Amino acid sequence: DAGITQSPRHKVTETGTPVTLRCHQTENHRYMYWYRQDPGHGLRLIHYSYGVKDTDKGEVSDGYSVSRSKTEDFLLTLESATSSQTSVYFCAISPPSGRHEQYFGPGTRLTVT
Amino acid sequence: GQSLEQPSEVTAVEGAIVQINCTYQTSGFYGLSWYQQHDGGAPTFLSYNALDGLEETGRFSSFLSRSDSYGYLLLQELQMKDSASYFCAARENQGGKLIFGQGTELSVKP
Repeated sequence: DAGITQSPRHKVTETGTPVTLRCHQTENHRYMYWYRQDPGHGLRLIHYSYGVKDTDKGEVSDGYSVSRSKTEDFLLTLESATSSQTSVYFCAISPPSGRHEQYFGPGTRLTVT
Repeated sequence: GQSLEQPSEVTAVEGAIVQINCTYQTSGFYGLSWYQQHDGGAPTFLSYNALDGLEETGRFSSFLSRSDSYGYLLLQELQMKDSASYFCAARENQGGKLIFGQGTELSVKP
């Protein structure tokens, strides 16, 4: 199994509070991704990174920011959480030679009340 | 717009063959991937087609026709453990940006 961990695994927070989710990898892969998964929507890309300090937006980036100061860590921040951001968040990594082949972390279940 | 269409549910019996279709419409296209996800778990990569034709990996095969913007996943000798959701995903750029379909829930019956 690819060495990907996410923390926290579960979180309940209130509307308007900032939240940061962490993705950590031990594979030294350059590419990292953040997705959210909601019933009826499959997986939707939020942001992705192709190197330290190099990030780009996905299809549902509004309300989210990311940072990557080290190869192994990719942080997703909800600046002011809203109920519509209640979701399961998955981090993924891929090797440069197989960017279509992504390995997913265990997910973080976030509930915004 | 960008979208991938796949059936929401498929049911089949153990030992049978099932095909899950996927049609796509994306702004860029590098290839089509397939992922499996069991309830509550992380998606796992199954296969990828960059070129037209069939790719075989054990009991699973995947097919792509770029001219038809169409692909499918074929599962043979179905087992109970194959009950899961299956997602097609179009790779949109060199950076590995994937657009996922909404998923097909496969139920394998005895």
